[in-house]
Amino acid sequence: EAGVVQSPRYKIIEKKQPVAFWCNPISGHNTLYWYLQNLGQGPELLIRYENEEAVDDSQLPKDRFSAERLKGVDSTLKIQPAELGDSAVYLCASSLWHNEQFFGPGTRLTVL
Amino acid sequence: GQQLNQSPQSMFIQEGEDVSMNCTSSSIFNTWLWYKQDPGEGPVLLIALYKAGELTSNGRLTAQFGITRKDSFLNISASIPSDVGIYFCAEFTGANSKLTFGKGITLSVRP
Repeated sequence: EAGVVQSPRYKIIEKKQPVAFWCNPISGHNTLYWYLQNLGQGPELLIRYENEEAVDDSQLPKDRFSAERLKGVDSTLKIQPAELGDSAVYLCASSLWHNEQFFGPGTRLTVL
Repeated sequence: GQQLNQSPQSMFIQEGEDVSMNCTSSSIFNTWLWYKQDPGEGPVLLIALYKAGELTSNGRLTAQFGITRKDSFLNISASIPSDVGIYFCAEFTGANSKLTFGKGITLSVRP
């Protein structure tokens, strides 16, 4: 069974540029999560989807971050414009049961 | 908000040794989870604990849910080089389906 797929694995951009990350969850998992992981920290939830609906986006900085999961399967997280402080790893996870979340390899973003 | 405390930040052990890590909180939790993260990868669930006092094993790994429900321990026996990585404790809150992670402990194993 394929795991959570994320692309790109690495992205380097200049500040003020837009960037987008893509995630394909494990087949059959209705719940999808986007996490932010700063260096030396654990992952922190940005947004959770139940099918197409964003049911928890309280930690998503909505002035520059947006996410979508139009058909309830794959999802895109966008930052526009990116700032230096956005450099981090962006992890996607999916689950059938909320407490057993399976993580993708992440996208490592560097903003110069 | 609730915080999970993991210390020390790094641990260095010799191959073959046992190691114990703990995680504490000022709040009472209902579910403790232990994850391992290898470099360049996402966290992988090792053990999930659901009841106070519960002791669960997964191969050379053993974890316990503290009786006070404010702490948990992860033990690794007979360490091997592939045990290297970052070990996170996490708490799952069913009310809002939220997973909260500690800062992690980086384990190094000397051959």
